[in-house]
Amino acid sequence: EIVLTQSPGTLSLSPGERATLSCRASQSVSSSELAWYQQKPGQPPRVLMYGASSRATGIPDRFSGSGSGTEFTLTVGRLEPEDVALYYCQQSRNPPPEVTFGQGTRLEIK
Amino acid sequence: QVQLQQSGPGLVKPSQTLSLTCAISGDSVSSNSVAWNWIRQSPSRGLEWLGRTYYRSKWYNDYALSVRSRVIITPDTSKNQFSLQLNSVTPEDTAVYYCARWVVVAGSRHFDYWGQGTLVTVSS
Repeated sequence: EIVLTQSPGTLSLSPGERATLSCRASQSVSSSELAWYQQKPGQPPRVLMYGASSRATGIPDRFSGSGSGTEFTLTVGRLEPEDVALYYCQQSRNPPPEVTFGQGTRLEIK
Repeated sequence: QVQLQQSGPGLVKPSQTLSLTCAISGDSVSSNSVAWNWIRQSPSRGLEWLGRTYYRSKWYNDYALSVRSRVIITPDTSKNQFSLQLNSVTPEDTAVYYCARWVVVAGSRHFDYWGQGTLVTVSS
């Protein structure tokens, strides 16, 4: 199983600052199979990025993704209070059929 | 607009079967370009994919290794929904359970629509 390790565990920044979230895979992941999600309390996850760097519908261009192989990054530019949430990376592969998520990064606004 | 509406009991006794249903609107369970999944989330295990069902001229299922011996996901074309059965549950199966659609966009796969989530507690 591919293990995704996210860092940092918690990120506390001021409004307007840039947030950089990391996702490291235990084995190489195809970029087409790497996605990022945002989850707010009491809600299901919402897709932000897919294919490592493509923004999902309705996602502001403050969000961007990059990376390849075993290292992927989600960047949130110009933080806003509404960005407070948990952020997860997710990979998939087949065969064998497998979907795994990172443990999450909590983004806080000071 | 796709909507997924989950239903099922919030309390299951140990050793019994957990059963949840996800009703689909705005798409078809028989669509040949998506897959229908169950995912759970708990503080101890995080987000955990359980499995999926999908139609590609015939029905297929894929299951996570961790639950393969206990899980069944079945489509119901007459009601445009799909269901999760998890057998022989223990308190470790206590979690929020989500159904979700798996889609391919420009060759990239991800979950784009999710159900509202159902907290299932395993307790006597």
